[in-house]
Amino acid sequence: QLQLQESGPGLVKPSETLSLTCTVSGGSISSSSHYWGWIRQSPGKGLEWIGSIHYSGSTYYNPSLKSRLTISVDTSKNQFSLNLNSMTAADTAVYYCATHRGDIVPMVFANWGQGTLVTVSS
Amino acid sequence: QSALTQPRSVSGSPGQSVTISCTGTSSDVGDYNYVSWYQQHPGKAPKLMIYDVSKRPSGVPDRFSGSKSGNTASLAISGLQAEDEADYYCCSYAGSYTGVFGTGTKVTVL
Repeated sequence: QLQLQESGPGLVKPSETLSLTCTVSGGSISSSSHYWGWIRQSPGKGLEWIGSIHYSGSTYYNPSLKSRLTISVDTSKNQFSLNLNSMTAADTAVYYCATHRGDIVPMVFANWGQGTLVTVSS
Repeated sequence: QSALTQPRSVSGSPGQSVTISCTGTSSDVGDYNYVSWYQQHPGKAPKLMIYDVSKRPSGVPDRFSGSKSGNTASLAISGLQAEDEADYYCCSYAGSYTGVFGTGTKVTVL
C-alpha cells in the first residue's frame, strides 16, 4: 500500500513562493502506472485539483493556476514537489498529495497524504 | 472550469437511504463516464468511494452506489449508518487532462 507524506512550511508571506514536497513510501515513484497529484482545500471550502505529474516529467496543470505553478519529480528521492509563486491569502489551504488510480485520465485519486496546512500571512 | 454543483447538505435516519447529486456540464460530467466520489471525515484526508461513475474500490461497502444521467451524477447511500456522517465530494474529468471537484455535501445521520 502506497503511503504519501507532505512536508513544507506552514506559513508563507504574501507574494512569496510556496514549496511543498510529497515523499512516497511503499512503492516506487518511477512506476510507469503511477501519476502523482496535488489537491488543496481552503478552510471550510471544497477540494480543488492543482495539478499532476508522471515520473517521466509530464505535467498537467489546473488552467486557473498554471501561470504560477510548477510541479516536479525527483525519482532518486522518491519525491515529487509543488512550487506555487505569488502567494496570496486566497491560497491559504490544506494541501494534499495523492496518487492517481491508474492513468491520468480518468482523474481518480486513490491514495492521499494526510495533508499539510499552509497559511499565507505577513 | 467551474466547480460541480452539489447540495450543501442531506440527512437521513439510520437505515434510510440518501442520494447526493453532482451537476456539471456537457464538458465534464456529461461528456465522460469518469465521475468519482470521495468521503471526508472532519480533519481527515478524503477517501475514494466510487470511480468511473459506478465502480467501487475494494473494501467500500456495497451500500454505496453511483450513477449518472446526462450532466448529473449521483451517489446513493443505502442502509445509512452513523459512520457515514461525513462530507462527500464528486470529481469529474473535464477534458484536456484536467479535473474538477464538486462543492461538497455534508451528510448528517439523524
